[in-house]
Amino acid sequence: EIVLAQSPATLSLSPGERATLSCRASQSVGSYLAWYQQKPGQAPRLLIYEASSRATGIPARFSGSGSGTDFTLTISSLEPEDFALYYCLQRSNWPPEYTFGQGTKLEIK
Amino acid sequence: QVQLVQSGPEVKKPGASVKVSCKASGYTFINYAINWVRQAPGQGLEWMGWSSGFNGDTNYAQKFQGRVTMTTDASTNTVYMALRDLRSDDTAVYYCARGELDDYYYSGMDVWGQGTTVTVSS
Repeated sequence: EIVLAQSPATLSLSPGERATLSCRASQSVGSYLAWYQQKPGQAPRLLIYEASSRATGIPARFSGSGSGTDFTLTISSLEPEDFALYYCLQRSNWPPEYTFGQGTKLEIK
Repeated sequence: QVQLVQSGPEVKKPGASVKVSCKASGYTFINYAINWVRQAPGQGLEWMGWSSGFNGDTNYAQKFQGRVTMTTDASTNTVYMALRDLRSDDTAVYYCARGELDDYYYSGMDVWGQGTTVTVSS
């Protein structure tokens, strides 16, 4: 089973700052990685798929990069509504098997 | 609009079974799969399994094999997730989420249901 390790566990930043979240896979997942945002009491929201493609309606301040085992989600300038939990998700094999990272909490400093 | 609507909250006793439904609308059901993901209180997301909207094929996470069954009613565009032999640590919000049907692309789980709270308590 592929394990995803997200870092840091908690990131404390101020609105307007740049956020960089990391997701590392225990073995290569190619570009089959997605990023999600989750706010309390809500379902996760797809931000990025295939490592770097923005989902429909996602603001341009969100970007994804990486391939293989190392991936990054960058929020270029934090808005107040961006403070939330973020998860990465990989797909491997077919029929598919998925695993989530343990999450990064982005909190207001 | 594209949406997944799940059934309501459930309270079950240990050892019982639960069946949660997920009704799809607004898109061509047979062109996508449905995944089930759960989230225990204060915990992260956990993938449970995948179900093809085209032919009902399934693939379950190893952790849940033998205890979970996902079935499809194509006539109503509804997918069901049944979990048996419930334990207290199965208490969680269960989500369905639309996913890929084929292995040549990766679109992520792009549409999610609202979640169904399952509480297991004696």
